[in-house]
Amino acid sequence: NAGVMQNPRHLVRRRGQEARLRCSPMKGHSHVYWYRQLPEEGLKFMVYLQKENIIDESGMPKERFSAEFPKEGPSILRIQQVVRGDSAAYFCASSSGGTDEQFFGPGTRLTVL
Amino acid sequence: SQQGEEDPQALSIQEGENATMNCSYKTSINNLQWYRQNSGRGLVHLILIRSNEREKHSGRLRVTLDTSKKSSSLLITASRAADTASYFCATEGSARQLTFGSGTQLTVLP
Repeated sequence: NAGVMQNPRHLVRRRGQEARLRCSPMKGHSHVYWYRQLPEEGLKFMVYLQKENIIDESGMPKERFSAEFPKEGPSILRIQQVVRGDSAAYFCASSSGGTDEQFFGPGTRLTVL
Repeated sequence: SQQGEEDPQALSIQEGENATMNCSYKTSINNLQWYRQNSGRGLVHLILIRSNEREKHSGRLRVTLDTSKKSSSLLITASRAADTASYFCATEGSARQLTFGSGTQLTVLP
């Protein structure tokens, strides 16, 4: 029973490029959460999605960031026109509807040159 | 301070000693969770304690929750070098999102 999968594990982009981060939740989980962790800091909530719906995007920057969780396939966090300040580790977590525990993936480390 | 703030920021102990980390939060919660993160790695869920619980054990871990003081503590007994990591508390309120503190860096010296 595979856990939460994220790819790529490491991503390097130049300023102005686009970054696409993927998250496959655990089998049977329909709730997905994205968090960002800056160096030496804790995780900060970005967005909470269920299949085909954004439930809470209160932590998402207003511009350049978007997220989706389509009916089929992984959840995607998309960052357009990346800047150096976007460099961080991005973690995805998933949960089933009836439990409180969120299971985290290994993260994607984004470096913007 | 932020919701889910850990204390101390860093802790260094000898192998075999106990390690205690504290977490304070500000708003009402449904539950509080503790996670471990090894350097450059993902998060490992350690334990969840619900708002109506006061104490919980899991192996060498003991977690307490005092909702009147809005605080929690994580005790690791008989520490090992492999326990060296960052430890985060995270609170879940009415929204499903977790709010993390900035973590305690634990170093266990052999």
